[in-house]
Amino acid sequence: NFVLTQPHSVSESPGKTVIISCAGSGGSIANNYVQWYQQRPGSAPTIVIYEDIQRPSGVPDRFSGSIDSSSNSASLSISGLKTEDEADYYCQSYANSNWVFGGGTKLTVL
Amino acid sequence: EVQLVQSGAEVKKPGESLKISCKGSGYIFTNYWIGWVRQTPGKGLEWMGIIYPGDSDTRYSPSFEGQVTISADKSITTAYLQWNSLKASDTAMYYCARLGGGPPGRYFGYWGQGTLVTVSS
Repeated sequence: NFVLTQPHSVSESPGKTVIISCAGSGGSIANNYVQWYQQRPGSAPTIVIYEDIQRPSGVPDRFSGSIDSSSNSASLSISGLKTEDEADYYCQSYANSNWVFGGGTKLTVL
Repeated sequence: EVQLVQSGAEVKKPGESLKISCKGSGYIFTNYWIGWVRQTPGKGLEWMGIIYPGDSDTRYSPSFEGQVTISADKSITTAYLQWNSLKASDTAMYYCARLGGGPPGRYFGYWGQGTLVTVSS
């Protein structure tokens, strides 16, 4: 089974850059596109990165995605942190006809 | 503008049946797969199943096969998630979402606002 593992929480100050990791196991993360979703408290998830590096229209370019084949992991980078970025972030991949989600990372901007 | 609007929160007793809905608008409803995703504090986000409203082709996650039924009525651009006999463990937030990057779709590009289902005696 393909599993995605994220850190439970990260925190950073406004204006700084934070990187959230998503480690794959049970398969190659580079062979399956990775997506990232933002979920603010009390709201539904929204997609902020799809197909590893693509940003939907309306998502600021402060958000970027990357893949590291050597560590079998994906990362979401958020630069110029704003308090409004405080949310839960989930990675997701599609492998073997199965949509797999990471456990989520709570980002605190303090 | 793509919109998915879900039915309101439900409070049910164990053993009762339930059908929640998800109405799509702003796009050609029959051209995109729609999925259902469960969110619980303990297990996070889990995909339950998907349906293609164009021909009602339906696929279930092994974890939910036989536990729920997914259907769609393309005449009213609405997808459904149904239980015949609810359990306390079905208490969760349920989201519908339109898939993209398909077919059927690698990601959930647009989400409904969620339907909270509470099952308690």
